[in-house]
Parts: sequence; structure tokens; C-alpha cells
Amino acid sequence: DIQMTQSPSAMSASVGDRVTITCRASQGISNYLAWFQQKPGKVPMRLIYAASSLQSGVPSRFSGSGSGTEFTLTISSLQPEDFATYYCLQHNSYPLTFGGGTKVEIK
Amino acid sequence: QLQLQESGPGLVKPSETLSLTCTVSGGSISISSYNWGWIRQPPGKGLEWIGNIHYSGSTYYNPSLKSRVTISIDTSKNHFSLKLGSVTAADTAVYYCARIVVVPGAPWHFFDYWGQGTMVTVSS
Repeated sequence: DIQMTQSPSAMSASVGDRVTITCRASQGISNYLAWFQQKPGKVPMRLIYAASSLQSGVPSRFSGSGSGTEFTLTISSLQPEDFATYYCLQHNSYPLTFGGGTKVEIK
Repeated sequence: QLQLQESGPGLVKPSETLSLTCTVSGGSISISSYNWGWIRQPPGKGLEWIGNIHYSGSTYYNPSLKSRVTISIDTSKNHFSLKLGSVTAADTAVYYCARIVVVPGAPWHFFDYWGQGTMVTVSS
């Protein structure tokens, strides 16, 4: 199985900060990676697919990059509505595996 | 607008079988370029993929659950179902259904639409 390691597991940030979340795969997964945002009590929502493609309707302050084993999700200027938990998902091979999540909290 | 809705008992006894259905509206479940998946999330924890099914009936399961899981599809009712046998307290979770779009020659679009989720508690 491919293990997905997210870092950090939690972070505090202020509105307007640039935030970077990393996801590392235990083996190469090309660009078969998606990022999801989940707010408390809500359904996960896909932000990024194919590592760097922005889901329709998602603000352009979100971006994804990477290929192979290392990927990043960047929020260029954190907004109040961005405080949430973020998950990566690898779909290069079965079983599909999610990262452990990164909780972004208000500083 | 595509909508997915999970339904099923919210309480299941240990050792029994958890049964959930995901009803799809606003689109056909039988389109060849779609697969349909189940994901779960224990309280306060992360997401875990359970399995996928295509309308043809082909399935993929998480090996950690494979011996206990069956996913089926009923195209006449436009829904697909999850059965998880021999449940324990560790199976207590919110269960989500979601769509997967197959893109030939490119990364598939996993989980672009989700149901609202349904909480299932395993307890006597």
C-alpha cells in the first residue's frame, strides 16, 4: 500500500498568511493526487485534482503542485473561511489512501 | 445537479451487518465513465476509502476490509449499496458515498461529488 504522510498535522495561522501543506507518498504516484477541504461537521470538498488542477468554483488562492512523491497545497492568502482540515488522496494505485489530515486553525 | 444521498440504519449491533444505500439523483448511475465509491470517517479521525463499483459490477475493495465488504449496484433504482459484515465498535463512523469520473489516458476524477454522509454507530 502507498502511505501518504501529511505535514504538519496541525498549524495555526492568521488571516492573510501564506499557508503550505505537504503530502509525501511512500512511492512515486506521478500526478495522481487530489486535495480535499473539510470544515467541521461538513462533507469533504475537492479543491485540487491531478496534483495541480483547480476544481471549478474553488478560489484561485488555492493551488497545488508536485509530482512523484512530494506534493504541496498552497493557500496564498488565508481567509476566514479557509480554517478547516485538509486531506490529500493518492489514486495512483489501489488501495486508495488518504493522508492523515492537516488542521488549519486560527492564530 | 447531481446529488447523492446515503440511507440506512444509524445503529447496528456488534457482529451484525451494516447496510447502506446511496441513491443518485440528477444523473444516471449507468454511465460508463463513472464509478461510485464509499468512504468512511470515524469520529474525530481521518478519511478511509472502503471501495468502488462500476455499473458493470466491477469492484475494488480496501484489503483491510475486503473480507467483510460487499458493494453492489442496482441500475434500475439508480442506487448502489454497501454491506459490511461482522461489525465492531471500530466500524462506528460517518459513511459517505461519492462519484468517480473515469478519464481515459489521464488521472481519474476521484470524489468530485459526495453525499451528505450518514452516521452509523455500532453498539449493543
